[in-house]
Amino acid sequence: AQSVSQHNHHVILSEAASLELGCNYSYGGTVNLFWYVQYPGQHLQLLLKYFSGDPLVKGIKGFEAEFIKSKFSFNLRKPSVQWSDTAEYFCAVNFMMDSSYKLIFGSGTRLLVRP
Amino acid sequence: DGGITQSPKYLFRKEGQNVTLSCEQNLNHDAMYWYRQDPGQGLRLIYYSQIVNDFQKGDIAEGYSVSREKKESFPLTVTSAQKNPTAFYLCASSIPRGGGYTFGSGTRLTVV
Repeated sequence: AQSVSQHNHHVILSEAASLELGCNYSYGGTVNLFWYVQYPGQHLQLLLKYFSGDPLVKGIKGFEAEFIKSKFSFNLRKPSVQWSDTAEYFCAVNFMMDSSYKLIFGSGTRLLVRP
Repeated sequence: DGGITQSPKYLFRKEGQNVTLSCEQNLNHDAMYWYRQDPGQGLRLIYYSQIVNDFQKGDIAEGYSVSREKKESFPLTVTSAQKNPTAFYLCASSIPRGGGYTFGSGTRLTVV
């Protein structure tokens, strides 16, 4: 079965620190990759997505992610976090098989940024 | 404006009762999905439908049922067989081949 793993469940950083959140998936076929963010009390918001082309994808709010096909990974990065980045981050993978496709989420990473 | 409407926002039910959550979209998307969100477990796929009159089980379909009689609508019924139904439920739809997803604002179901 297809699965998505986020290994860091809780991350605590100080402002200006660099961030990298890991995401790995299990399927070797065609995938689209997404990172979503959920701020406290708010709904899911798309940070960035990868479909094809340059494996380094830039998203909103200074976030970027790199797709490494050989490692089945799509890690999220930000050079310098801010207090306002405190949120829960979800990696999601759209698995495509034949004519069917479905979006599977990782379990999420809660990020706390200390001022 | 196009989007997904989930209603109601909050729902309370007594244990043992079936309850149906509404999801309507006017985006002309073929595919629709239901997810359940629990703290520490992310979003888990309950059911999805690629086309009208067809749907597939997701990872946690037990205790749930769906129908897809119209392209715009994908209601989810939480049956009494669902052992732990209290959760936040999200509906989503997508353009062909999952190129982009739109999420509803969710329904928080509390079973007492």
